[in-house]
Amino acid sequence: AQSVTQPDIHITVSEGASLELRCNYSYGATPYLFWYVQSPGQGLQLLLKYFSGDTLVQGIKGFEAEFKRSQSSFNLRKPSVHWSDAAEYFCAVGGPRGGNKLTFGTGTQLKVEL
Amino acid sequence: DGGITQSPKYLFRKEGQNVTLSCEQNLNHDAMYWYRQDPGQGLRLIYYSQIVNDFQKGDIAEGYSVSREKKESFPLTVTSAQKNPTAFYLCASSQGLAVSTDTQYFGPGTRLTVL
Repeated sequence: AQSVTQPDIHITVSEGASLELRCNYSYGATPYLFWYVQSPGQGLQLLLKYFSGDTLVQGIKGFEAEFKRSQSSFNLRKPSVHWSDAAEYFCAVGGPRGGNKLTFGTGTQLKVEL
Repeated sequence: DGGITQSPKYLFRKEGQNVTLSCEQNLNHDAMYWYRQDPGQGLRLIYYSQIVNDFQKGDIAEGYSVSREKKESFPLTVTSAQKNPTAFYLCASSQGLAVSTDTQYFGPGTRLTVL
């Protein structure tokens, strides 16, 4: 069965600092991987996705993620965090062999200190 | 503007009552989904539909029901059989029928509270 682990429940960074949010997955083949962001009381917005090709994926709002098959990871990065990036971030995994659904991680809450 | 609308934003229910959450999309997407979100648990799939008049159970379908009479609409009913219905409910849609690979787009959510 597919699964996703986001090891960090909460992360606090200073505005202007770099950010890395961790995502580890379990899947029996090449996965489809997604990062979503959720502002308080709102729905989820897609930041980026990976399913093949270049392992470094660029997304919206200056985010990027790198697929590392050897580490079963898909970490989200941003070189310089803005106060408006404070939100909850979800990693999700899917794929043609993983059953008919996306599996979401439990989320990482990002706090940005001014 | 194309998108997904959910109503109401907040919903209060007394124990023993059924309530229906609305989800409408004007993206002309084929598939629609309902998720439940609880703090610290991520999103869990309740039901999904890939075509009108057909839908499939997700991981936590017990106590919920859905219908898909129109392509753009996918209402969710939370029945009195759902023992712990207080949660944030998210509706999503995707253009294609590949539930586990297509990008899903989310509505703003409905927060249901049982009094």
